[in-house]
Amino acid sequence: AQTVTQSQPEMSVQEAETVTLSCTYDTSESDYYLFWYKQPPSRQMILVIRQEAYKQQNATENRFSVNFQKAAKSFSLKISDSQLGDAAMYFCAYGQGGSEKLVFGKGTKLTVNP
Amino acid sequence: NAGVMQNPRHLVRRRGQEARLRCSPMKGHSHVYWYRQLPEEGLKFMVYLQKENIIDESGMPKERFSAEFPKEGPSILRIQQVVRGDSAAYFCASSKQGAPYEQYFGPGTRLTVT
Repeated sequence: AQTVTQSQPEMSVQEAETVTLSCTYDTSESDYYLFWYKQPPSRQMILVIRQEAYKQQNATENRFSVNFQKAAKSFSLKISDSQLGDAAMYFCAYGQGGSEKLVFGKGTKLTVNP
Repeated sequence: NAGVMQNPRHLVRRRGQEARLRCSPMKGHSHVYWYRQLPEEGLKFMVYLQKENIIDESGMPKERFSAEFPKEGPSILRIQQVVRGDSAAYFCASSKQGAPYEQYFGPGTRLTVT
């Protein structure tokens, strides 16, 4: 079964600085997708960024970018110019081609210090 | 365009009662997914439904839990004879046909069993 591991239960960053959240996954498949979701205190799950495994180029969405290392099965999230509103739980998730369920990691709690 | 709607947002049940959680997908979405989030954990897949069909229920507990997505009306997750261990946040997500990895999440229902 596929697993997703987030090794950092908590991280903190100063406002305006950069932080990287780690995620590794385990799969023997070649067709899959990876995601980062943000869960603020409201508990709403918000999609931050998505990466298709067949794409070599790292996905970017404004201040959010990923470092996708397929061979190492690593998918880290970089947040640049951190803002107070970025404070939340961040979940890494895996979706396998042909199966529509997502597998989530346990999350990283990000604190942004003013 | 309204997002995924879930109600109630909070539900309190005594042990042995039934809990019914409702999910209305986004307009134009025909696929619904239910996930459960236990305290301090990531989301865990429970069931994937299309209209009038259960496609994948591999994450559903074998007893007391059922789900449906009728031709008309919202999807319902039903938990019979609730126990304390059922206390969790239950999230619904929806997607369009042909876009399984663009899952949009509702705000969740927090179930508390007393």
